[in-house]
Amino acid sequence: AQSVAQPEDQVNVAEGNPLTVKCTYSVSGNPYLFWYVQYPNRGLQFLLKYITGDNLVKGSYGFEAEFNKSQTSFHLKKPSALVSDSALYFCAVRDRGNTPLVFGKGTRLSVIA
Amino acid sequence: KAGVTQTPRYLIKTRGQQVTLSCSPISGHRSVSWYQQTPGQGLQFLFEYFSETQRNKGNFPGRFSGRQFSNSRSEMNVSTLELGDSALYLCASSPGTFTIDEQYFGPGTRLTVT
Repeated sequence: AQSVAQPEDQVNVAEGNPLTVKCTYSVSGNPYLFWYVQYPNRGLQFLLKYITGDNLVKGSYGFEAEFNKSQTSFHLKKPSALVSDSALYFCAVRDRGNTPLVFGKGTRLSVIA
Repeated sequence: KAGVTQTPRYLIKTRGQQVTLSCSPISGHRSVSWYQQTPGQGLQFLFEYFSETQRNKGNFPGRFSGRQFSNSRSEMNVSTLELGDSALYLCASSPGTFTIDEQYFGPGTRLTVT
């Protein structure tokens, strides 16, 4: 069965600095990988996904993620953090085929002005 | 297009009661998934429906059930409520044809069991 690990419950970064939110996954085959963000009192919003092709994926709000097959990782990155990026971030994986989308436990990002 | 809507938004129930939550997907979307969100466990998958058929089921007891109607609207039911069922229940829809599609989430139903 597929699984996702987000090793950090909380990430703190200063505004203007680069940010990284880590994600590692485990699947039996080739994965479909997703990042979602949840702002306070709001539902989850899709940020980006990796299906196949270029390992660097660009998404909404200036976020990008790099798929690394050898390290089974899909870290979320942004070159310059904004205070408005403060939210709860979820990594999710789906194995090829009709398997459910499995989410990590989430990482709370705090960007400090 | 209107987004995913969930009703009710808030619900308070007593242990032993049952509850039904409703989800209306984005127009044209045929797949609906349900998740339970709690602070300790994150998002846990409950069910996925596509064209009225359950495509996947998570590891939850039989007290949790769901269904999808011909108009793609979905309901989930929890019987014999327990205190541990208190959570935010999220519904998500996607076009559904391909599992690479991203999901669009509703605002959730906050269930409190007392």
